[in-house]
Amino acid sequence: AQSVTQLDSQVPVFEEAPVELRCNYSSSVSVYLFWYVQYPNQGLQLLLKYLSGSTLVKGINGFEAEFNKSQTSFHLRKPSVHISDTAEYFCGLIKAAGNKLTFGGGTRVLVKP
Amino acid sequence: DVKVTQSSRYLVKRTGEKVFLECVQDMDHENMFWYRQDPGLGLRLIYFSYDVKMKEKGDIPEGYSVSREKKERFSLILESASTNQTSMYLCASSLSRDGYYEQYFGPGTRLTVT
Repeated sequence: AQSVTQLDSQVPVFEEAPVELRCNYSSSVSVYLFWYVQYPNQGLQLLLKYLSGSTLVKGINGFEAEFNKSQTSFHLRKPSVHISDTAEYFCGLIKAAGNKLTFGGGTRVLVKP
Repeated sequence: DVKVTQSSRYLVKRTGEKVFLECVQDMDHENMFWYRQDPGLGLRLIYFSYDVKMKEKGDIPEGYSVSREKKERFSLILESASTNQTSMYLCASSLSRDGYYEQYFGPGTRLTVT
């Protein structure tokens, strides 16, 4: 069975500072990897996804993530955060031949002025 | 824009009541999903459906059932609500069975069972 671990449950960060959210996964087969964001009182929306090809994936709102197969990681980064990036972020995976999305426990990002 | 709507944002029910959560999507998506979201546990899949009248169990189906009579509508049913089903419930849809398609989420229903 596959699993996703988000290593930090909360990340406080000052405005305009960089942020990295860590995600490690476990799977015996090839996977697709996703990052979703949930703003307060809203559903989730897709930030970016890795299907194949270049290991550096760029998403919306200035976020990017790097797929590292040897480390089984898919960490999310943003070089300079804004107050509006305050949200909960979820890493997820789907087996390449499947359609069930497995999520990590989430990381709450609080951007301070 | 894809829109996924859920019938209620907040719901309070008593133990033992039958509860219906409704979800509607307007983009002719084949797949629909029901998740529950609990702090520290992320989202866990309850059931999903890849076609009308078709359903598959997710990771935590116990205590729940689903119904998909029309392509755009997917209902989650709690036959006899219990306090441990107090949670946020999120519905999602995606274009097809292929896993690489984005899932679009509704705003969620916060259910409290007293």
